[in-house]
Amino acid sequence: ILNVEQSPQSLHVQEGDSTNFTCSFPSSNFYALHWYRWETAKSPEALFVMTLNGDEKKKGRISATLNTKEGYSYLYIKGSQPEDSATYLCARDGSGNTGKLIFGQGTTLQVKP
Amino acid sequence: GAGVSQTPSNKVTEKGKYVELRCDPISGHTALYWYRQSLGQGPEFLIYFQGTGAADDSGLPNDRFFAVRPEGSVSTLKIQRTERGDSAVYLCASSLSSGIPYEQYFGPGTRLTVT
Repeated sequence: ILNVEQSPQSLHVQEGDSTNFTCSFPSSNFYALHWYRWETAKSPEALFVMTLNGDEKKKGRISATLNTKEGYSYLYIKGSQPEDSATYLCARDGSGNTGKLIFGQGTTLQVKP
Repeated sequence: GAGVSQTPSNKVTEKGKYVELRCDPISGHTALYWYRQSLGQGPEFLIYFQGTGAADDSGLPNDRFFAVRPEGSVSTLKIQRTERGDSAVYLCASSLSSGIPYEQYFGPGTRLTVT
C-alpha cells in the first residue's frame, strides 16, 4: 500500500491571500504525481501531471513543484479568489504504468470574500 | 466535446438490494477506471479496464462488486446485496491509454446511499 498524505486537511483564507498545501508520498518506484481540483457537485478537474524530480508546473495563479527523492509535492495558489474554494487532491500512480491512482485525503480550501 | 458522464447522479437503495452504476467515458479513451470515495477520505481505486478487459481489479472490496465493459466503451459497476458500508460517491474516469501518465478525466460521480 502506497500511502499518500496531504496537509492541512482544511484551510480557510481571505481573498487575496496566497496559500500552499503539501502532498507527501513514498518515493520508491515513483512514476507520476497528479493534482486535481474538486468543486462541490462537479467532476474532479485535472490540474497537473508531474513526473520528473524538480518539475515545476504553472496554470494561471496555481503552481506545483515536485521532489521525487524526498517524496513530496507542493501546490501554491497566489492571490486566492472565492472561486478557488474546492478540495485539492493529489494522487500517485500506484503501480508504475497502469494509471491506477492512490489518492490522498485532500485539502479543502475555503476562500472568504 | 462531451466529458465523462455517469448515471444515475444519485441512487438510494435498501440494504440487500442490487444496484448498477453506469459510466460513459470520453470517446476514444481506451482506459477506464472506477474509484470510490467515502466520507472524509480520498478516492479509492476499485478496478481498471484497458479496452474490454479488466486489467486490474485488485481494489474491489469483495465478490459482491463486479464491473463490465463489454464493448470497450460504456462500463457498468454492479453491486449485489448492498450493505450500508457501500454508501459512497462512485467515480469513473477515462484516459487515452495507460503506460504513459495521461490525465484521467473524471465524471461527476454517482452518490450511492444504502438505507
